[in-house]
Amino acid sequence: KQEVTQIPAALSVPEGENLVLNCSFTDSAIYNLQWFRQDPGKGLTSLLLIQSSQREQTSGRLNASLDKSSGRSTLYIAASQPGDSATYLCAAPGGGGADGLTFGKGTHLIIQP
Amino acid sequence: AAGVIQSPRHLIKEKRETATLKCYPIPRHDTVYWYQQGPGQDPQFLISFYEKMQSDKGSIPDRFSAQQFSDYHSELNMSSLELGDSALYFCASSLRRGQGGQYFGPGTRLLVL
Repeated sequence: KQEVTQIPAALSVPEGENLVLNCSFTDSAIYNLQWFRQDPGKGLTSLLLIQSSQREQTSGRLNASLDKSSGRSTLYIAASQPGDSATYLCAAPGGGGADGLTFGKGTHLIIQP
Repeated sequence: AAGVIQSPRHLIKEKRETATLKCYPIPRHDTVYWYQQGPGQDPQFLISFYEKMQSDKGSIPDRFSAQQFSDYHSELNMSSLELGDSALYFCASSLRRGQGGQYFGPGTRLLVL
């Protein structure tokens, strides 16, 4: 059974800082990994999708890396802005070819103006 | 770009009533997933369908059932509702059983009184 862990659980920093959010997963037989953003009471916005054959993926100020062998992924946010304040969730498919995503408990991020 | 459509967006039911949630996937997506997110919790995978057949099953209660129709939309039927069923219910869709990533709808907020 896939288990996903995210560190830290919460983070509060002044704007302009570069941030690293960490995600680890137990079953490395995954075909991809996704990072999502969720604002309070809202839906899940897909930020980055990394295929198992890739080592990293970039979108604007966001960069995500994937190391299947060590069961880790990181989300790097450059030059953080107050609008980046949200919960960031890492999700990986279940082991054994399962379809459903297993989510970490998220990193609650606050960027202070 | 077209996104996943869910209806209704909000639903209030009494205990022991039934509810039906609908999901319309992104055009040409062949796989649909249902997730439940309780207050302060991470999303939990319930069930998925690929080409109208159940493809994976998660922590879906026996009181719940779902199906995918010929036009690829999906419905989640919930019977004998309990207070603990109050949650956000997300539908997601993907191509080829998630290999292209899963994309989430805005969710249906269910409140059971």
